[in-house]
Amino acid sequence: DAKTTQPPSMDCAEGRAANLPCNHSTISGNEYVYWYRQIHSQGPQYIIHGLKNNETNEMASLIITEDRKSSTLILPHATLRDTAVYYCIVRASGGSQGNLIFGKGTKLSVKP
Amino acid sequence: GAGVSQSPRYKVAKRGQDVALRCDPISGHVSLFWYQQALGQGPEFLTYFQNEAQLDKSGLPSDRFFAERPEGSVSTLKIQRTQQEDSAVYLCASSLDRHQPQHFGDGTRLSIL
Repeated sequence: DAKTTQPPSMDCAEGRAANLPCNHSTISGNEYVYWYRQIHSQGPQYIIHGLKNNETNEMASLIITEDRKSSTLILPHATLRDTAVYYCIVRASGGSQGNLIFGKGTKLSVKP
Repeated sequence: GAGVSQSPRYKVAKRGQDVALRCDPISGHVSLFWYQQALGQGPEFLTYFQNEAQLDKSGLPSDRFFAERPEGSVSTLKIQRTQQEDSAVYLCASSLDRHQPQHFGDGTRLSIL
């Protein structure tokens, strides 16, 4: 089972920031938080990941709470092309298991 | 492009037929993963290769599913004696190693009639 909880759907106005929450209250010390998104009829696309510090790249920002039990993915200026299902995944940094465990994600609809 | 390529993009087969799905990973990527995605669900892990070695096949749903990566590059997922419940999108992902972010292809949509 997925170790994360996300709202099933969210709406966002075009040009505004989209803030997608994720709860991962049972996260272990060696587990990273990963975000992927899946646009209709495409494969999942890697967005960003982090361990404990906030991270930013050209696509998004990731804010992880100090206790690491939750995080927020921020798309600073959402566009219609950001409409997708967003998956929050926790994944250990070591060990033999490298596969991702996806939940149902959050369906983000960006509206004009 | 330099991304993960999967073929065919769509496959329709009659129940009982065998099918083969191909994955061309990003050049130099050691790790290769197969996932199955049912309609409306997130992808589910099937199997994992490190180079040519299949290190984890715990997600394969039955012995009708078989995957190989003989030269550590291209991989094939084969399903024998297909059944209707095999209808799904089959996704392939590759990464530099198992700890790095995975890059996905756009999948093969398999429909069993």
